[in-house]
Amino acid sequence: DTGVSQDPRHKITKRGQNVTFRCDPISEHNRLYWYRQTLGQGPEFLTYFQNEAQLEKSRLLSDRFSAERPKGSFSTLEIQRTEQGDSAMYLCASSPPGPGYEQYFGPGTRLTVT
Amino acid sequence: QQPVQSPQAVILREGEDAVINCSSSKALYSVHWYRQKHGEAPVFLMILLKGGEQKGHEKISASFNEKKQQSSLYLTASQLSYSGTYFCGTEGSSNTGKLIFGQGTTLQVKP
Repeated sequence: DTGVSQDPRHKITKRGQNVTFRCDPISEHNRLYWYRQTLGQGPEFLTYFQNEAQLEKSRLLSDRFSAERPKGSFSTLEIQRTEQGDSAMYLCASSPPGPGYEQYFGPGTRLTVT
Repeated sequence: QQPVQSPQAVILREGEDAVINCSSSKALYSVHWYRQKHGEAPVFLMILLKGGEQKGHEKISASFNEKKQQSSLYLTASQLSYSGTYFCGTEGSSNTGKLIFGQGTTLQVKP
């Protein structure tokens, strides 16, 4: 069990640029979640996958955000035309199949939009 | 809807006890508790399920009142390592695993 990994750990980009983050979940976990966290706040749900299917996406997300999990393993989160308000920590978590299981978080990707 | 945590912050001396509360206005399937240290990812502490099942670390205890949609986390004989921000995450009755997190409770344990 190597834990959830995320890449990159830090990303600085200029407003208007596109960015992509990667998440590798714990190997036997089929559920994968993306959250966003800003300073002083709890994680905010963005979207989640069960295997390769994206089952829910937050209504707070604009169309500039897209996520994929093509083979049910790793996932990518892309933000197009970044804005300063996108600056945050982007957290990925995974859990075993079924309800009632804990989620294990990765170290996060800190995005700074200048 | 975001659950409400109380208190917002607490300062303890080593060895003292604390209780952190989490309250939701919606029916819940489960409540998850996490601790986050500055600059680090949230770390799982405890999950409490509707029906009474609990899973978590041995030194952590918590309760879940299903009728009131409230949960409490009990930290006893606190240690310096307990310092951090504690979040409750609530999972609605659809049990998708989607968590809605509270605003957090900051705990500082002093020597």
